[in-house]
Amino acid sequence: AQSVTQLGSHVSVSEGALVLLRCNYSSSVPPYLFWYVQYPNQGLQLLLKYTTGATLVKGINGFEAEFKKSETSFHLTKPSAHMSDAAEYFCAVRATGNQFYFGTGTSLTVIP
Amino acid sequence: DTGVSQNPRHKITKRGQNVTFRCDPISEHNRLYWYRQTLGQGPEFLTYFQNEAQLEKSRLLSDRFSAERPKGSFSTLEIQRTEQGDSAMYLCASSLGQVLNTIYFGEGSWLTVV
Repeated sequence: AQSVTQLGSHVSVSEGALVLLRCNYSSSVPPYLFWYVQYPNQGLQLLLKYTTGATLVKGINGFEAEFKKSETSFHLTKPSAHMSDAAEYFCAVRATGNQFYFGTGTSLTVIP
Repeated sequence: DTGVSQNPRHKITKRGQNVTFRCDPISEHNRLYWYRQTLGQGPEFLTYFQNEAQLEKSRLLSDRFSAERPKGSFSTLEIQRTEQGDSAMYLCASSLGQVLNTIYFGEGSWLTVV
């Protein structure tokens, strides 16, 4: 079975500060991992994904994530937060089959 | 705009009425997905099509829900005898070819059952 846990439903950072959004997964097979962002009243947009190969993955808007198998984690980071980063962020895992399993999301607030 | 298109974007209906949502995937995408998202939760898988064939259905998809993709292009999701618990955003997504290809989401259709 696959599942995702996002630690912290709300995260607040100051503009220019480091963003760290946590995601831990559970999977019985090698997972494929994704981060999506959702702005109010909109659908989900892919930020980045890990399938195989390099464990540090770079995405759009300056975000990156590192796959750590030993820690079953796929945390999302950005060195310097921007006001436009305020949104809901979802981690997702896809293993066997065609289903994505999403976490419950982390709402990011950026304080000016 | 060549993204995934959903309509209507918002629907308010009385309990017991039927509603239908339409999804137009990205052109030539052979895979189409429906998800449901409630406030404070992540999207939950409902069903998946490859071309016109509905290959997977979640246990969340009760017998009041039916989805079709008759020509392997657009899809409809119908909810019969709506209940207040059906209030949610219904997200459609599509992808091309390989299983691990990125899935692209539409902007969703909000349903409010009063």
